[in-house]
Amino acid sequence: EAGVVQSPRYKIIEKKQPVAFWCNPISGHNTLYWYRQNLGQGPELLIRYENEEAVDDSQLPKDRFSAERLKGVDSTLKIQPAELGDSAVYLCASSLSRNSYEQYFGPGTRLTVT
Amino acid sequence: GIQVEQSPPDLILQEGANSTLRCNFSDSVNNLQWFHQNPWGQLINLFYIPSGTKQNGRLSATTVATERYSSLYISSSQTTDSGVYFCAALNFGNEKLTFGTGTRLTIIP
Repeated sequence: EAGVVQSPRYKIIEKKQPVAFWCNPISGHNTLYWYRQNLGQGPELLIRYENEEAVDDSQLPKDRFSAERLKGVDSTLKIQPAELGDSAVYLCASSLSRNSYEQYFGPGTRLTVT
Repeated sequence: GIQVEQSPPDLILQEGANSTLRCNFSDSVNNLQWFHQNPWGQLINLFYIPSGTKQNGRLSATTVATERYSSLYISSSQTTDSGVYFCAALNFGNEKLTFGTGTRLTIIP
C-alpha cells in the first residue's frame, strides 16, 4: 500500500512569490493534516480536514496561507506571498478517521525562501 | 492544550548499547505516538501506544497513562537507529497531535 505522497520534495523561491504544495493521502483515509516543521522543532499543525471540510484551521496564517481538499482526497496548501520566515518543511499526514487517530506522514516539502 | 516534554534532548551511544527515551505529557491522552525522523526528514511510525506496552524487534515502548509518561527502549543500537525521535500526544478535548521537541540519538560505530 502506498504511503502519503507529497510533491515537490524541495522548493526554492524568492520572497513575495507564491508557492503550492500537493498531498495525496493514504487510500481510504478521510482525515488529512498539514503540519509545518521548523528547524530543530517538532511539527506543528496548520490545518485538519475531515473529508472536504476544514475542521481545525486555527493555526493557519490566513492572511497568506490557504488550503483546499477538493473531493475529499488530494489537498493543496498555498502560500501567497511567501516571506523569509516561511522557510520550513511542510508535512502532510493522514489518518483513517478522526476516531482512529494514528497518523501517517508523507516525506515533506522543504521550502527555502530567499 | 497538552504539553509534551522529551528527555534527554541529545544522546550519543556506542553501537550495541541500550537506550531509554522519555516522554512526559501534561494531560490524559487518547493517542500517543512515537516517530523516528531519519536523516532525510521522513517521519517513520514506530508505535501507536496510548497505554500499555508494545514491542517490535529491538524496540519497545511503554505508556503509563495514569502517571502521564511514555518510554521508548532501544536495545543493541545500530548506526541506522541514528536520527531524531519524537513523541506526540493528543486528547479528545484538544484533538491536536502535539509533538515534543525530540531526542537526537547518535550511534557511533
